[in-house]
Order: sequence, then C-alpha cells, then structure tokens
Amino acid sequence: GAVVSQHPSRVICKSGTSVKIECRSLDFQATTMFWYRQFPKQSLMLMATSNEGSKATYEQGVEKDKFLINHASLTLSTLTVTSAHPEDSSFYICSALDRRYGNQPQHFGDGTRLSIL
Amino acid sequence: EDQVTQSPEALRLQEGESSSLNCSYTVSGLRGLFWYRQDPGKGPEFLFTLYSAGEEKEKERLKATLTKKESFLHITAPKPEDSATYLCAVQASWNTDKLIFGTGTRLQVFP
Repeated sequence: GAVVSQHPSRVICKSGTSVKIECRSLDFQATTMFWYRQFPKQSLMLMATSNEGSKATYEQGVEKDKFLINHASLTLSTLTVTSAHPEDSSFYICSALDRRYGNQPQHFGDGTRLSIL
Repeated sequence: EDQVTQSPEALRLQEGESSSLNCSYTVSGLRGLFWYRQDPGKGPEFLFTLYSAGEEKEKERLKATLTKKESFLHITAPKPEDSATYLCAVQASWNTDKLIFGTGTRLQVFP
C-alpha cells in the first residue's frame, strides 16, 4: 500500500522550455503533497507543500512563479518548471500523505531527473 | 534552528558485520523521527517512525531506537542488498507536516 507514482522519470530538454511533472497517489487519497529537490550527494530540500484544493506554500527562496504547483484532486499534484534553465537541472521528488489519519509518514515517488541543455 | 546531522557520511561493511548509523537532531519540539532508505536514482522508501524517547522498532535486519537527542539505526548481519543511502528526517513542529532531512549515510555491504 501507499504507492506514489511520479512521471516522467527523466526529462531532457532545451533551455527556455517549460516542463510538467506529475505525482499521483495510486492507492490512497493524498490530502497533502510535497515537492522536493535533491542535488547529488545532498539531502532532500523541501520546495513547497500543497493541500488539495488550496494554493501551495513555498519554502523561503523558492520562486513561486518559476515552480508552479497544482493540487486539484486528492490523487494528483503537478509541478511545472517554467522557462527552465541549466541551473534548474536536478532530481525532483514528490511525496504524499493523508493527514486525516493522524501523523502518517510521507510516501515518496521515484523522482524525476530533469536535465536542461 | 532545527537541524539533523547524520554520521558517518559513508560506511563500508563486510557481509555479516553489524554496525549502527547515527542521527542527531536539534528541534524545538519533536513530533516524529523518520528513517527512510534511498536507492540510487529512486525516491526514499519509508522504514520507521519513532515518536518518543525509549521507543524501538524493528524490521528484518534493521532496528531503530530513539533518545531525546539522537536516533540509531542498527543493522544486524547486513547483506549486500542492504546497500543504500539511509536518510533520517524529523518533524519539528505540530503545526506542519514538513520534514527536515539529514544528508544521509551511504552504506555499502560487500560479500
């Protein structure tokens, strides 16, 4: 149980392109989803938290106009990297939980490797 | 400032050689401490949640313990398939589900 699917697993695109990443909870309803960024040999850094039907809450230093987050349903959240540049290249990971059932662990997708040329 | 520090950064073990990974934390109010396993190119896989000092949890060759300042992940008689990065994370407040992660311990188990 508690399966989170992330798509695509890898994206390579040109500078200036906008890229959309999908995160789906397959067997539970995700009231809350999180988007992280991970650089090689570094820890996961939280970018934003989104609650279903509400605007996302962004961490300090994360540009909300650059990283657009939509969480329109209890099973799907999307992260759109707008006008991506080489410095946006990273490993993006989503996680999800259903906070209606107490203090649940976050369950993670398998990440998206984004490479901007 | 809430902070999580993991040590060692990397650990090489012979198959069957037991050891422990450390996670030290400083938080304003611990809501929960989480251990995850991460394989290369994959997302973290949930292992354990610990809520209060003295609590212990076990799963196969892994055992997690918690004190007021740190947590240990004990690996008993590890196998090569236990090779991965082990991440520790804390929930530092009752007002948020936000996790603060350490940088992880990269474990390699050799046959």
